[in-house]
Amino acid sequence: GESVGLHLPTLSVQEGDNSIINCAYSNSASDYFIWYKQESGKGPQFIIDIRSNMDKRQGQRVTVLLNKTVKHLSLQIAATQPGDSAVYFCAENTGNQFYFGTGTSLTVIP
Amino acid sequence: DTEVTQTPKHLVMGMTNKKSLKCEQHMGHRAMYWYKQKAKKPPELMFVYSYEKLSINESVPSRFSPECPNSSLLNLHLHALQPEDSALYLCASSQDRGTLLTQYFGPGTRLTVL
Repeated sequence: GESVGLHLPTLSVQEGDNSIINCAYSNSASDYFIWYKQESGKGPQFIIDIRSNMDKRQGQRVTVLLNKTVKHLSLQIAATQPGDSAVYFCAENTGNQFYFGTGTSLTVIP
Repeated sequence: DTEVTQTPKHLVMGMTNKKSLKCEQHMGHRAMYWYKQKAKKPPELMFVYSYEKLSINESVPSRFSPECPNSSLLNLHLHALQPEDSALYLCASSQDRGTLLTQYFGPGTRLTVL
């Protein structure tokens, strides 16, 4: 299988600060990436995606950056709020397969 | 509407029981998936249905039996499960199989096997 890993398993940030969650992937042929947010007791929720022909994509308070040279993906959350506390997974799409990273647990300190 | 629904939300069963998990989507998606997720781990793919036909079985034990009655419904039949099968079972769907297609997840069924 493919290796999609996260640099940090846990992250704590102060409310109002920006958060950065990182993800490394190993397959240079991967052409699509998604960030999911999973709150306790719920299913993964789509946050934002990016195709391999892009290096940046912005949503509401979130930005995904893709660096294909070093096979690195990041999720930036602006002005982090308590409701952002969750586990964040990156997912990598190669061919017909989806591979999930190990996840980062984000805790927002009020 | 990007909603995938799953029932039941919670299920407790004994090792000799037979039960079923249900998943439904009305987005017109033609690919549907079952995942298993243990605590603090990412989802693990179990089965993929494409156009109501099983296209991937990730070496899942036969005590798990998927079924796709129509393009909107996906079932997972459970029989003679083991305690280690306790997990969150997630259903997902996407427009089709292939690249560049987002998978949307349901809320999951929390399964406990006694």
